[in-house]
Amino acid sequence: DTEVTQTPKHLVMGMTNKKSLKCEQHMGHRAMYWYKQKAKKPPELMFVYSYEKLSINESVPSRFSPECPNSSLLNLHLHALQPEDSALYLCASSRDQFFTDTQYFGPGTRLTVL
Amino acid sequence: AQTVTQSQPEMSVQEAETVTLSCTYDTSESDYYLFWYKQPPSRQMILVIRQEAYKQQNATENRFSVNFQKAAKSFSLKISDSQLGDAAMYFCAYRSSNSGHALNFGKGTSLLVTP
Repeated sequence: DTEVTQTPKHLVMGMTNKKSLKCEQHMGHRAMYWYKQKAKKPPELMFVYSYEKLSINESVPSRFSPECPNSSLLNLHLHALQPEDSALYLCASSRDQFFTDTQYFGPGTRLTVL
Repeated sequence: AQTVTQSQPEMSVQEAETVTLSCTYDTSESDYYLFWYKQPPSRQMILVIRQEAYKQQNATENRFSVNFQKAAKSFSLKISDSQLGDAAMYFCAYRSSNSGHALNFGKGTSLLVTP
């Protein structure tokens, strides 16, 4: 089973709202990732968690706040977003953080910021 | 930094025919992995096939196969007996110990399958 689930599928929010995206995997993977994908573009890495600790932050603005409550769950808290933050947000996981480990992607949350 | 180039923004193939998507990459490393991911419209990105650089044998997965030319730094994807469900954006990606956690993606090739 290579399933990564994400909720919600769609999210519309205003610039003053606070919302959260959720990602879950039950494959026993110890590395989890957040990517941002604009239309017709490849995904761009935002954050990496390894063994529930943040190991990489790709200079993402502080209005995006990741959280890893346990090894199966990854959240992305959103606050004071801008319209240009509208995108597909993808979660991925891999067995470990090594380059030899394949990343498996969730279906994504399509975010619209008004 | 490693770069991945997909020179075909769009490709078209008829059902049951064969199509090849090209991918080249630039690296000075000897140990790395290459991937092809498929992303249908409004659907999940899924792994199609992966290739370890140290393996000379080309990877295959059912109708999908790669032509890995390490010296030429080329990693093309061949889809045989194309089906309507193969229509998607295809991303070539690279990952190595020096790229760390990052999957370096190409810009993608949009594949249209016509009946």
